[in-house]
Amino acid sequence: RKEVEQDPGPFNVPEGATVAFNCTYSNSASQSFFWYRQDCRKEPKLLMSVYSSGNEDGRFTAQLNRASQYISLLIRDSKLSDSATYLCVVRGQGGKLIFGQGTELSVKP
Amino acid sequence: EAGVTQSPTHLIKTRGQQATLRCSPISGHTSVYWYQQALGLGLQFLLWYDEGEERNRGNFPPRFSGRQFPNYSSELNVNALELEDSALYLCASSLMSGTGYYGYTFGSGTRLTVV
Repeated sequence: RKEVEQDPGPFNVPEGATVAFNCTYSNSASQSFFWYRQDCRKEPKLLMSVYSSGNEDGRFTAQLNRASQYISLLIRDSKLSDSATYLCVVRGQGGKLIFGQGTELSVKP
Repeated sequence: EAGVTQSPTHLIKTRGQQATLRCSPISGHTSVYWYQQALGLGLQFLLWYDEGEERNRGNFPPRFSGRQFPNYSSELNVNALELEDSALYLCASSLMSGTGYYGYTFGSGTRLTVV
């Protein structure tokens, strides 16, 4: 089983749609969680950290369920510029970040 | 503030050669991480350096090695290159040495092609 698993993509949605990404992790001792965004052939960039109480940043909402070892990202009112691959990331043992395979999002006009 | 810088941007080598990739972290960051991203695959953890020491290593053969210098910059060396080493190599640095709750900042990567 992979340490971090994400929904397979791609997600193709129209502008203005709401889209949700899900992710599960295997190590119950994990302490830090993040969502990264990666544009084609570019480096990943931190989108937001994920806190136990859930957190929101504009159109983006992240949720963490420690009991289920489940992380989610909700994007409201999708924009064309949201098209990218979204990476679920968990801090693993020894401090390293473990990346999921990513879910590709394509927002169409 | 300058971000994480990597060089070279692109590197073409032949099978069996050695490649050296370089990374300068954000000023004040002591930890440097190396990841490999092969085409169509996710990021695979390679190495973590902090305060000049190797702290953790991913599931890669010993021909992948590196070091961190006193100024916290880092070098990744890949010996006896194989075709499947072709990938984007990403370096990242973090504010706290593996124990904090901050994510990483990545450089734009070195694209290594082995022919």
